[in-house]
Amino acid sequence: DSGVTQTPKHLITATGQRVTLRCSPRSGDLSVYWYQQSLDQGLQFLIQYYNGEERAKGNILERFSAQQFPDLHSELNLSSLELGDSALYFCASSAGSGSYEQYFGPGTRLTVT
Amino acid sequence: TQLLEQSPQFLSIQEGENLTVYCNSSSVFSSLQWYRQEPGEGPVLLVTVVTGGEVKKLKRLTFQFGDARKDSSLHITAAQPGDTGLYLCAGHKLGVTGTYKYIFGTGTRLKVLA
Repeated sequence: DSGVTQTPKHLITATGQRVTLRCSPRSGDLSVYWYQQSLDQGLQFLIQYYNGEERAKGNILERFSAQQFPDLHSELNLSSLELGDSALYFCASSAGSGSYEQYFGPGTRLTVT
Repeated sequence: TQLLEQSPQFLSIQEGENLTVYCNSSSVFSSLQWYRQEPGEGPVLLVTVVTGGEVKKLKRLTFQFGDARKDSSLHITAAQPGDTGLYLCAGHKLGVTGTYKYIFGTGTRLKVLA
C-alpha cells in the first residue's frame, strides 16, 4: 500500500460526458502528479501540482483540467469525453516539488462507451 | 519525442534464467528510477540511482546507472514467476524553464514461466 488513494476505482460513462477523478496523496506529500496509461502504452504525464499550484504540464488535453485543494487532495476533470479517453488514470505523490521518487495510487479505470 | 527508450520491449523467459533490461537516452538525468507495475495496479518504486556508475542491489535485482547518467540497466538473476510485470525506468532532469521534468521509459514487459 503506497498510501495514495484514488476514487473511483472504475468508471464507465458515455461519450460527451464529464467525469471527476479524485486523489489523496500520502501523508506529508505536497506534490500530486496525474498520468494517463492507455492499453499497452506507457505512462503519459499529464500535470503536476505542488502545494496547491500548478507546477508542470505535460501532454494534457484542453478538455482536461486539474486542481489541488488546500487539504492537498487533487481532482482531475475530464470533459467532452471521447472513446480514446478510455484508459487507466494514475495519481502519484511525492514529498517536494522536484522530488524524484513518486508513489502511485491504484488508479482509476475509465471506460468511455 | 520519447526520451527514454527501453529494450527489449517484451521478454518471455523460463524460471531460473537471467535477464537484463536496458534504459537508454541521449539526455543526461539527475537521477533515474526503476518501477515495476503489475496488471491493473499502479507502478511500485524499486530503486533510485543518482551517481554516475552507481550500482544498487535489491535481492536478485541489480541496477546500474551509466557513467554519463544517460542510461541504466536492470539485471535479474534466477528469475522467478513473481518477477513477472511491466518494468519502467523514469528519468528526472531539470528543464530549460527551471522546472523538473519526469519522463517514463517505454517499458519492458517481462513474463517468467514456471
